[in-house]
Amino acid sequence: EVQLVESGGVVVQPGGSLRLSCAASGFTFDDYAMHWVRQAPGKGLEWVSLISWDGGSTYYADSVKGRFTISRDNSKNSLYLQMNSLRAEDTALYYCAKDIPRYSSSWSLDYWGQGTLVTVSS
Amino acid sequence: QSALTQPPSASGSPGQSVTISCTGTSSDVGGYNYVSWYQQHPGKAPKLMIYEVSKRPSGVPDRFSGSKSGNTASLTVSGLQAEDEADYYCSSYAGSNNWEVFGTGTKVTVL
Repeated sequence: EVQLVESGGVVVQPGGSLRLSCAASGFTFDDYAMHWVRQAPGKGLEWVSLISWDGGSTYYADSVKGRFTISRDNSKNSLYLQMNSLRAEDTALYYCAKDIPRYSSSWSLDYWGQGTLVTVSS
Repeated sequence: QSALTQPPSASGSPGQSVTISCTGTSSDVGGYNYVSWYQQHPGKAPKLMIYEVSKRPSGVPDRFSGSKSGNTASLTVSGLQAEDEADYYCSSYAGSNNWEVFGTGTKVTVL
């Protein structure tokens, strides 16, 4: 059974930093691209970032480019999101999600975690 | 890159059909066959219902179908059931224009 479990969400002050983690199990983690998607309270979904199966390619939404860094450790079946220079508008539930095809991306997310809440507030 | 446009709400009686539209541009929906649809119940993670415009993942009922014409994609739910009441989001690959964009979301109500 595919499982994705996010952690690391806390309350942080504006300008602060945070690293989110996502522990994956139930599939061959290093075969698949992985995404982060966020959802502000009561709002819609917003795509944040993608990392390729081997970590060689990364992509970011304009809203986080230059502030967030996605990475993965395939030896630990783990995905990360380093978040710097946090702003109030980054407050959201952050989901990690798996892409569909092996060794590529169809920009479709077939498994999602339950999310971890990041609150940026003074 | 703006969000894809969806109607805020849609509704139908049990057994009826409802169709949700998702309007983008030639730089996203119209330019690629990478349109997906997600269902989200309150307090739950999204669930993939349709990918690559019209493909259904294993386990998704064939009551759910997807299509695309020009810059607008559509999700049709046939034979509405009570458990179909949820928020639905479309998404599309957008190339270097912010890579992936979601729709504004549609709340489907089963009357």
